[in-house]
Amino acid sequence: QLQLQESGPGLVKPSETLSLNCTVSGGSISSSNYYWGWIRQPPGKGLEWIGSIYYSGSTYYNPSLKSRVTISVDTSKNQFSLKLSLVTAADTAVYYCARHTRGLLDLWGQGALATVSS
Amino acid sequence: DIQMTQSPSSLSASVGDRVTITCRASQSISSYLNWYQQKPGKAPKLLIYAAFSLQSGVPSRFSGSGSGTDFTLTITSLQPEDFATYYCQQSYSIPYTFGQGTKLEIK
Repeated sequence: QLQLQESGPGLVKPSETLSLNCTVSGGSISSSNYYWGWIRQPPGKGLEWIGSIYYSGSTYYNPSLKSRVTISVDTSKNQFSLKLSLVTAADTAVYYCARHTRGLLDLWGQGALATVSS
Repeated sequence: DIQMTQSPSSLSASVGDRVTITCRASQSISSYLNWYQQKPGKAPKLLIYAAFSLQSGVPSRFSGSGSGTDFTLTITSLQPEDFATYYCQQSYSIPYTFGQGTKLEIK
């Protein structure tokens, strides 16, 4: 069945760029029915939607993060990616990738912890 | 942004109990309300979508209701595996936003 798996460096220095990939297996990222998104959760806190992308490359972002976020897709690798620039300690979180339809998040990756520290 | 407020923030209950969690939106979201369950160290899992539709594979002891601004998640006959944190989320408008969570603990 379809699975999502996050990957990327677990430690990022302040002011640098956090980069994560999400690999989709067991199905195609080019499905016309779904968007692919990123959600994060700081340790011990709640969930925050970061942004989403369609396989065509169309994106939409949370305005609170929009100036620092870029989400891209590589259909040849069945993968989509998150870049978050100018990170601070407040960006330390578990980052989840997920599949969704109009914001309905029905399939999630297991999550990847990204820690911002010098 | 639409603010989602859950109550209570935490709840103690026993196996077999019936519990209700409430979620209120800062403006009308029609029925664009989803519920997720999260266990420690795990990703959230979709339980209910569109306010009252049960996701495939979710036990029927879970149910949702409401529309507009006020919604509830009800769990009848609590089972040991139901002790977790529950989040509501609106998918009415961007940015999609979540409630702060309700932690359901064993009494």
